Amino acid sequence: GAGVSQTPSNKVTEKGKYVELRCDPISGHTALYWYRQSLGQGPEFLIYFQGTGAADDSGLPNDRFFAVRPEGSVSTLKIQRTERGDSAVYLCASSLHAATDTQYFGPGTRLTVL
Amino acid sequence: GDSVTQMEGPVTLSEEAFLTINCTYTATGYPSLFWYVQYPGEGLQLLLKATKADDKGSNKGFEATYRKETTSFHLEKGSVQVSDSAVYFCALQRRGGADGLTFGKGTHLIIQP
Repeated sequence: GAGVSQTPSNKVTEKGKYVELRCDPISGHTALYWYRQSLGQGPEFLIYFQGTGAADDSGLPNDRFFAVRPEGSVSTLKIQRTERGDSAVYLCASSLHAATDTQYFGPGTRLTVL
Repeated sequence: GDSVTQMEGPVTLSEEAFLTINCTYTATGYPSLFWYVQYPGEGLQLLLKATKADDKGSNKGFEATYRKETTSFHLEKGSVQVSDSAVYFCALQRRGGADGLTFGKGTHLIIQP
């Protein structure tokens, strides 16, 4: 079946602009995660959704970052007033139910802030 | 807070060599432990996992044993192939927690024919 998909695959924006990154989880997966991977680093946890609600948003670096999952399926990560330091690959993962089930990762969106 | 430390790369080996990639962790309680692999141009894939002490995870000839006494989860393979060239990430997840994974920085493995 289809895996986790993310769009766009690449996004180039200018400092100060607003961006939205989309994640389509595996069908039927109730848990969804966002991570950020900077060059040469491992993925860093941002936020975890169980259904429509954010169960843990402790990894969001500041209030410029926000994520939604209004219908419990597709999720959008929103970044306001982008900064050059936001440049990274943003990864989405989903798992069947609980946080302890295996997470399946999407291919990521490479964000470049000029 | 939780953390994962793994050996820095790149690690370069010849085909059929024995592989060890070291991973140690710091965490509250007894986390689940994972190895993820990222092949060139592909997304992260789960390679293997172990959920309690002394468990051994295995897949595709790779193995790792959950060692609580040394807080380690070293990845091993007896005979590597060129196709094993990839970046390997060790990760943990707190047991029962509504948390994401905590990853190490990754180890780039290069296998030469």
